[in-house]
Amino acid sequence: AQSVSQHNHHVILSEAASLELGCNYSYGGTVNLFWYVQYPGQHLQLLLKYFSGDPLVKGIKGFEAEFIKSKFSFNLRKPSVQWSDTAEYFCAVNAGNNRKLIWGLGTSLAVNP
Amino acid sequence: GAVVSQHPSRVICKSGTSVKIECRSLDFQATTMFWYRQFPKQSLMLMATSNEGSKATYEQGVEKDKFLINHASLTLSTLTVTSAHPEDSSFYICSASQGRPGTTQYFGPGTRLLVL
Repeated sequence: AQSVSQHNHHVILSEAASLELGCNYSYGGTVNLFWYVQYPGQHLQLLLKYFSGDPLVKGIKGFEAEFIKSKFSFNLRKPSVQWSDTAEYFCAVNAGNNRKLIWGLGTSLAVNP
Repeated sequence: GAVVSQHPSRVICKSGTSVKIECRSLDFQATTMFWYRQFPKQSLMLMATSNEGSKATYEQGVEKDKFLINHASLTLSTLTVTSAHPEDSSFYICSASQGRPGTTQYFGPGTRLLVL
């Protein structure tokens, strides 16, 4: 069965630290990949997505993610986090012709000022 | 663009009553809408997928007679929780997408349901 795993459940960083959140999926065919963010008390927002082309994708607020097909990974990165990046981050994969998204369990990021 | 709204944002009801939640795509036509349930500090659980004009496809373990979904137009889908019980208390979120499979889902702000 298709699945998405996010390696880090809780991450605590200080401001200006670099961030990398891992995401791996299990599916051998064509995939569309997403990172969504949920700030405290707010709804899910699309951070970035990969459909095709350049495997290094840049999103909003300085985030980027790299699709490495050989590793079935789509890790999220930000070189210098801010307190306002405190949120839940979800990786999601859409596989093949399926309309459904397969979700990771999420990573809770807390950035200390 | 790509704004999705939900109404109501919060609802409190008595056990045994039915509650309807609306999901609207405000600035695009949503051929597909999704209904999720989110438990505290957990990921989203997909309940069902609905395509405009056809019956919803429910995920395994989701009672279709309890969670009635209607997607009557390209901008509106409704979820009705029938004969709600306290265990149905949760955060219900809808999302909408347009076009072919794999396109981006845009999420509504969610509806907090509390059944007393």
